[in-house]
Amino acid sequence: DTGVSQDPRHKITKRGQNVTFRCDPISEHNRLYWYRQTLGQGPEFLTYFQNEAQLEKSRLLSDRFSAERPKGSFSTLEIQRTEQGDSAMYLCASSFQAYEQYFGPGTRLTVT
Amino acid sequence: AQKITQTQPGMFVQEKEAVTLDCTYDTSDQSYGLFWYKQPSSGEMIFLIYQGSYDEQNATEGRYSLNFQKARKSANLVISASQLGDSAMYFCAMREPYSSASKIIFGSGTRLSIRP
Repeated sequence: DTGVSQDPRHKITKRGQNVTFRCDPISEHNRLYWYRQTLGQGPEFLTYFQNEAQLEKSRLLSDRFSAERPKGSFSTLEIQRTEQGDSAMYLCASSFQAYEQYFGPGTRLTVT
Repeated sequence: AQKITQTQPGMFVQEKEAVTLDCTYDTSDQSYGLFWYKQPSSGEMIFLIYQGSYDEQNATEGRYSLNFQKARKSANLVISASQLGDSAMYFCAMREPYSSASKIIFGSGTRLSIRP
C-alpha cells in the first residue's frame, strides 16, 4: 500500500494524559498536513510541513499541541494534558508541492 | 475570508439515478482551486475531482463531474448512475490560493444515502 498511513487508528485516553499520533506520507510527497475533524463537521487545518520545516500553524493549535517531521518523512502530532474537547478525528494528508492532497485513514481520539 | 457552504445535510437517492450535491463558495481571490472529497464510514477522505478557477471546461472523472458556475460561485458535484457504494459523506473544499500552505477549507458536508 503506497498511500498515507496513520497510527494508531483509534486511541482512548483519560483526561490529562499525553498522546502521540504518527503519520507516514506518500514517499515522494514533500508537504504534510494535519487536520482535525469533529463530529458532523468538515476537517479543519491544524499545521503544515514542507519537508522538515513547520511553516504554518492554525490558531486551533494550542500550546498543548506539538508536531514534528524530523527527517522530512513521517510526522508525529503530540497532545499534552488531553481535554475532552480534544476528542476528534485527526487526519494527515500529503501532497507534492501544492497539488492534490491525499488523506490517510485518520486517528480517532476519544478522551474520557 | 474564504468560505464553503453546503446546504444539504443529507440526501436520499434511488440506485442508478443521477444526483447533484450543492456547493457554493465565497472568495475575493481570482485564482483558487475547488475539490470534492468522499468520506465513507471508515473515515478516510478520498479525493474525487478538482476544478481550477481558470479552467474553462467543467472537470470530469468517470461518473463524477463538477458543474462549475464561476459567476454564481457554485461548484456542484454530479454523480451519474449512482451505486450503493456511493453512500458516504461528501465534502466540497477550496484551496486558499495565496497561502503558503495551500491549506484546504472544507464545507460541513452532505451525507448521501443510496437506496437499492
